[in-house]
Amino acid sequence: EAQVTQNPRYLITVTGKKLTVTCSQNMNHEYMSWYRQDPGLGLRQIYYSMNVEVTDKGDVPEGYKVSRKEKRNFPLILESPSPNQTSLYFCASRTMNYGYTFGSGTRLTVV
Amino acid sequence: SQQGEEDPQALSIQEGENATMNCSYKTSINNLQWYRQNSGRGLVHLILIRSNEREKHSGRLRVTLDTSKKSSSLLITASRAADTASYFCATASNAGGTSYGKLTFGQGTILTVHP
Repeated sequence: EAQVTQNPRYLITVTGKKLTVTCSQNMNHEYMSWYRQDPGLGLRQIYYSMNVEVTDKGDVPEGYKVSRKEKRNFPLILESPSPNQTSLYFCASRTMNYGYTFGSGTRLTVV
Repeated sequence: SQQGEEDPQALSIQEGENATMNCSYKTSINNLQWYRQNSGRGLVHLILIRSNEREKHSGRLRVTLDTSKKSSSLLITASRAADTASYFCATASNAGGTSYGKLTFGQGTILTVHP
């Protein structure tokens, strides 16, 4: 089944403790992206990638890192999480001129 | 920055009625996409319309695009209770380089269809 898989689905962590949210797609898509969704602010793009080793900042990249060493994987790294990074995170992938396929989301709480 | 702005923010209708949602954007686009999201779940892609297209259909969905007005509309005909969800428009940048393909979402329209 064609899908985007992100893990974990739920995560509660403490301020400053590094964490990684994994994202993997099995559709050989070139583009991958991370979004965060917050009430009243909609979906905001954190980082996106056009292909292996090609990444660029979205609208809210501060406090996040990404890497694209393989086409299928696009992990999101929070080096030192803070409470304002509490959010619902989505990974998505697509190929040229097609819509994104989204993962099921990761609900992150930073206390 | 929010590229797409949906209107209305919320829409409540009866089953069988048509639902129309509008989206306005500010900069040049390569394509515009509509997505649906059920509460707290991942977004589902509905339809993509390219900048050189004016209208597109998919089942009960009809999307129009007016690049001169920088606006798009999504029409859901004969709505059903199962159509209750949030609907988002998203614009794909027309800029070159690494920004090509950047997809920016609007705030969404919450659609409620009453049985």
